[in-house]
Amino acid sequence: DAGVIQSPRHEVTEMGQEVTLRCKPISGHDYLFWYRQTMMRGLELLIYFNNNVPIDDSGMPEDRFSAKMPNASFSTLKIQPSEPRDSAVYFCASRQGARTGELFFGEGSRLTVL
Amino acid sequence: QQQVKQSPQSLIVQKGGISIINCAYENTAFDYFPWYQQFPGKGPALLIAIRPDVSEKKEGRFTISFNKSAKQFSLHIMDSQPGDSATYFCAASAQFAGANNLFFGTGTRLTVIP
Repeated sequence: DAGVIQSPRHEVTEMGQEVTLRCKPISGHDYLFWYRQTMMRGLELLIYFNNNVPIDDSGMPEDRFSAKMPNASFSTLKIQPSEPRDSAVYFCASRQGARTGELFFGEGSRLTVL
Repeated sequence: QQQVKQSPQSLIVQKGGISIINCAYENTAFDYFPWYQQFPGKGPALLIAIRPDVSEKKEGRFTISFNKSAKQFSLHIMDSQPGDSATYFCAASAQFAGANNLFFGTGTRLTVIP
């Protein structure tokens, strides 16, 4: 398996622009997570899905952030409009079943908002 | 509120030395404690994990020590190598919080000097 695939790997945009990050989870995994990593706050959970259904989005910082999972093999995280404080590395991760199962992370999307 | 507190923030160790990273938690419902390793430009990957019914778990040069009464656990890397240079995250999980309940520490950046 190719692992969790994220795109783009790097994104530089200007404040106010829309940003869309993409994720393809590992086939057969029924949980998908979006995390944000910054030096100050470490790894923060933004939202997670189970069987394509959003379960907990309490970590989404504000209404500018939205996430979708239209099918089992694709998810997007959208920021509109983007702000400089959104600059971070965004990780997608997937897991099969049990909460104690291994979480598989993608390589991340590094976002810079100027 | 940080569910899992991790220290130190950064650590420099000579090759062959022992690296020790500490984590503490408050919620006694936590019952699964994994450690993740992250290399620059990559996503975190599961390194080793422990449950509170054992006080120690060893895999190669990596050992988790768990002190349930003190609500602390630590990662020991014996005979540290330059290839171990990475960021290490402790985490904790509990069934009460639902399927996603993996709370991460803020990370420790380890540098092993040749």
